[in-house]
Amino acid sequence: DTGVSQNPRHKITKRGQNVTFRCDPISEHNRLYWYRQTLGQGPEFLTYFQNEAQLEKSRLLSDRFSAERPKGSFSTLEIQRTEQGDSAMYLCASSRSGANVLTFGAGSRLTVL
Amino acid sequence: AQTVTQSQPEMSVQEAETVTLSCTYDTSESDYYLFWYKQPPSRQMILVIRQEAYKQQNATENRFSVNFQKAAKSFSLKISDSQLGDAAMYFCAYRSDNSNSGYALNFGKGTSLLVTP
Repeated sequence: DTGVSQNPRHKITKRGQNVTFRCDPISEHNRLYWYRQTLGQGPEFLTYFQNEAQLEKSRLLSDRFSAERPKGSFSTLEIQRTEQGDSAMYLCASSRSGANVLTFGAGSRLTVL
Repeated sequence: AQTVTQSQPEMSVQEAETVTLSCTYDTSESDYYLFWYKQPPSRQMILVIRQEAYKQQNATENRFSVNFQKAAKSFSLKISDSQLGDAAMYFCAYRSDNSNSGYALNFGKGTSLLVTP
């Protein structure tokens, strides 16, 4: 069990560029969550997968954001046409079905210049 | 949507002393879960303790315990014998037990705990 892995850990990009983050959950966890955390705030829910199915999306997930989990293992979160307001830490977490406890990754920090 | 409020942006405690972090929440549901997560600087968030709403007994995990007051919708965290390694952001979180409400955790804004020698 190597925990939840997120890459890259830090991404600096210019406004208008696209960025993609990857999350590798704990192997036996079939649920995967994405959260966004801005400075001084708690994490805010973005979306949730059970296996490869995206079952829930927050209103925070605008049409510039897309998340996938094609084979029910790793997941990607893509942000198109980045804006300065997208600067945040993007957290991934995973859990088993029926489990209440989430295991979080270290996060991917996005800085949009 | 359920809201979680942490009214203490910062708290300070001396090593070996006890500190209590406050959390209140707003919900109309009767079945739910409450959590305290710890986020050390530049490190990942880890679970400290959890409480099922149907359980009257307060959860404890070694030096960490909660005071769960369901009627008051209050869920405070007590850290006993504080250690330097306890310094971190602490987040209170709520999760519904109703699948129609989704499985998302709703977090408070956090309390920054400073531990002084």
